[in-house]
Amino acid sequence: DVVMTQSPLSLPVTLGQPASISCRSSQSLVSSDGNTYLIWFQQRPGQSPRRLIYKVSHRDSGVPDRFSGSGSGTDFTLKISRVEAEDVGIYYCMQATHWPPFTFGPGTKVDIK
Amino acid sequence: EVQLLESGGGLVQPGGSLRLSCAVTGFTFNTYAMTWVRQAPGKGLEWVSSISGSEMNTYYADSVKGRFTISRDILKNTLSLQMNDLRAEDTAVYYCTKGNWNDDWGPGTLVTVSS
Repeated sequence: DVVMTQSPLSLPVTLGQPASISCRSSQSLVSSDGNTYLIWFQQRPGQSPRRLIYKVSHRDSGVPDRFSGSGSGTDFTLKISRVEAEDVGIYYCMQATHWPPFTFGPGTKVDIK
Repeated sequence: EVQLLESGGGLVQPGGSLRLSCAVTGFTFNTYAMTWVRQAPGKGLEWVSSISGSEMNTYYADSVKGRFTISRDILKNTLSLQMNDLRAEDTAVYYCTKGNWNDDWGPGTLVTVSS
């Protein structure tokens, strides 16, 4: 199974400042079809998770453009250009290339300093 | 608008059974894979099971294989998860999601396995 790791696990941020979360996979997430199925989710306190980004860098509808995803192979990054109060929550990466099983990272908790 | 609504959670004793349902609206149900993801209290997300669209192929996490069964009723637009031989470690909020990539999520239903 592909093991997903994230760092940091806790990320205190200042409002208006950038934030960056790293996600690494235990093997390359490049699929035989050439796509890379790395997905990011946001879970605000008390809410269900919500998908933000799929296939590394494709933002879902309604996701603010301050969120961006990048990376390749085994190393991926979610960036928030300017953190807002509504961005507080836990962020998870998930791989959907080598399944089953689909595997999630442990999550990164983002809160305000 | 896509809507997913889980039901059927509750308190059950170890070794017992429970059937979760997820009512879906807002998309053509039989053309999408569907997934169950769970989250133990204070923990992260864990993929549980998926069912493909038209082919009805099913997939399970090792932790639930042989105990859980995923199914879908296309006429009722409902996804189900039959859970047997429940264990304390199955205690979690169970989410129904659209697609293999979890495009959309329901609010979840809490399953508590305890004596």
